[in-house]
Amino acid sequence: GAGVSQSPSNKVTEKGKDVELRCDPISGHTALYWYRQSLGQGLEFLIYFQGNSAPDKSGLPSDRFSAERTGGSVSTLTIQRTQQEDSAVYLCASSLRSGTGNTGELFFGEGSRLTVL
Amino acid sequence: AQSVAQPEDQVNVAEGNPLTVKCTYSVSGNPYLFWYVQYPNRGLQFLLKYITGDNLVKGSYGFEAEFNKSQTSFHLKKPSALVSDSALYFCAVRDKETSYDKVIFGPGTSLSVIP
Repeated sequence: GAGVSQSPSNKVTEKGKDVELRCDPISGHTALYWYRQSLGQGLEFLIYFQGNSAPDKSGLPSDRFSAERTGGSVSTLTIQRTQQEDSAVYLCASSLRSGTGNTGELFFGEGSRLTVL
Repeated sequence: AQSVAQPEDQVNVAEGNPLTVKCTYSVSGNPYLFWYVQYPNRGLQFLLKYITGDNLVKGSYGFEAEFNKSQTSFHLKKPSALVSDSALYFCAVRDKETSYDKVIFGPGTSLSVIP
């Protein structure tokens, strides 16, 4: 596609429910990132994919959070048993990766706003 | 571990005046440095980056940034601010020496340009 696409754009859920957030990166971008932005806060790194592999999962807040990427393209971030503190905007970004590593900029989607009641 | 600091939560500047948004970083090796802007209710947009070479880099919308290795800083500047520049600005860093492409963002600085 022309840009990074995220769905849903807005999700309201009840505490304890599971949610799935989807990211469709720019075609050909091998690197994919998930960040979380809470109200008035900066970007918290969650996880990074290179192809289908996730070299760094250190940012996932708890074992309720997981992410996968299939076919080197679409990624899904899953939050199980949601809590109110999970309420935030979840941003996905993708990037090209050169042979010497990623020197390019990240292209961000519009984000998925999650509200846990 | 890499980290980014933006010491000012809020910067206010009069329209037409020069603006500076500060950023300092910490990496174990040499950095790749980036600035992004976020307009209200929008995703982040890339402004400019420093990879290597000239310490002064120019980017979109008339912005520029100066890499200072001794001070580990990468301050964002613009000679003449516009009201439309009001937004949230994020500095980001990647450690050039690692094989991971992890990009870490600073906490952001809210810029208000006053007419």
